[in-house]
Amino acid sequence: GAGVSQTPSNKVTEKGKYVELRCDPISGHTALYWYRQSLGQGPEFLIYFQGTGAADDSGLPNDRFFAVRPEGSVSTLKIQRTERGDSAVYLCASSLLVGQSNEQFFGPGTRLTVL
Amino acid sequence: GNSVTQMEGPVTLSEEAFLTINCTYTATGYPSLFWYVQYPGEGLQLLLKATKADDKGSNKGFEATYRKETTSFHLEKGSVQVSDSAVYFCALRPGQGGADGLTFGKGTHLIIQP
Repeated sequence: GAGVSQTPSNKVTEKGKYVELRCDPISGHTALYWYRQSLGQGPEFLIYFQGTGAADDSGLPNDRFFAVRPEGSVSTLKIQRTERGDSAVYLCASSLLVGQSNEQFFGPGTRLTVL
Repeated sequence: GNSVTQMEGPVTLSEEAFLTINCTYTATGYPSLFWYVQYPGEGLQLLLKATKADDKGSNKGFEATYRKETTSFHLEKGSVQVSDSAVYFCALRPGQGGADGLTFGKGTHLIIQP
């Protein structure tokens, strides 16, 4: 596809359930990022991958959050034992290279609602 | 740590008015600075960027100058249009190693009235 795609676009789940959010980056982009945007706030960095490895996961809020990118392309953000405070829009971005002036291209996001 | 502070919204202006959205930052080293825009119903898009002090980023009539002495990156446009109504985010990327993720401000909702 032409841009970053994310599925599902909306996810409603119950407290305590497990969810997976998928990101399909722009073809050929080596870097992939996950952000979380709460209502009325700017995006908050969670984790980024360079290839298959997580280069920096310092933004993950706790050990309920985990992300993988096994083949260096598609990534999945996994949230265990969801809590109401996890409700937010989860954004994915990709870029061609990691560096100073490199542009990150954002997907449309997955809106997660935890009831 | 790194942080970005931008003016609270919403900012409401009439068409053809002059726009300034203030942005200041705190960061170690020499970060790159960005303005992103989110139009209604759309994803985040890069509007402009600057990678070193005194650089001016510009796009679609918008401008912002990287001011290291005042740690600012204010967004300006000389004559706004209704189509500029959107949420604008100021962001930085650290200049030295470590995380390459962006640090965003809270966003400023801009409303342009005809």
